[in-house]
Amino acid sequence: SQQGEEDPQALSIQEGENATMNCSYKTSINNLQWYRQNSGRGLVHLILIRSNEREKHSGRLRVTLDTSKKSSSLLITASRAADTASYFCATDAYTGFQKLVFGTGTRLLVSP
Amino acid sequence: ETGVTQSPTHLIKTRGQQVTLRCSSQSGHNTVSWYQQALGQGPQFIFQYYREEENGRGNFPPRFSGLQFPNYSSELNVNALELDDSALYLCASSGGLAGVREQFFGPGTRLTVL
Repeated sequence: SQQGEEDPQALSIQEGENATMNCSYKTSINNLQWYRQNSGRGLVHLILIRSNEREKHSGRLRVTLDTSKKSSSLLITASRAADTASYFCATDAYTGFQKLVFGTGTRLLVSP
Repeated sequence: ETGVTQSPTHLIKTRGQQVTLRCSSQSGHNTVSWYQQALGQGPQFIFQYYREEENGRGNFPPRFSGLQFPNYSSELNVNALELDDSALYLCASSGGLAGVREQFFGPGTRLTVL
């Protein structure tokens, strides 16, 4: 079963605009990770944020985590056509072993 | 490129057959996890191997089994294939000396069951 939901399910923007994706989850977590997937191929790890962190940056990516609301957001600034992909959040509760539980994903389309 | 490789890239089988998928983990990683991703869905955890032992399993039947070898590469075996087993199968490696928590995924194997 899926842990959480990404919102929106699909997002269409122009190059140069910012893209914000939200993720909600259900249980307590150790960390939350964001991944990108191009055309149904392998997942590319973008960023990991630990449960005791509130915000993290990596290049054009900004991730926030609110454990009280069980939610996270991924902001991609100054989007490029190459950012077109599906984006997934995955939670790691680490109950003796590391098991990532993925959301349903946001499909992002960035038009030139 | 993550350094995680999977073979084959694509595979077509018929119902009732058996299949073996292979994964080579990233250098220095001792943990391999397998995920199944149905079309339009997020990946779902099948199981995880740590130092040649299964140390965690998701909600998949026993006909899904695996192995991990001394070099930390891994196999996923699925017996008595069903149509619903058609999916992208992803392996991910993690671990290493620093206890890295990120999982690094391979490109996947697309399995079609007819």
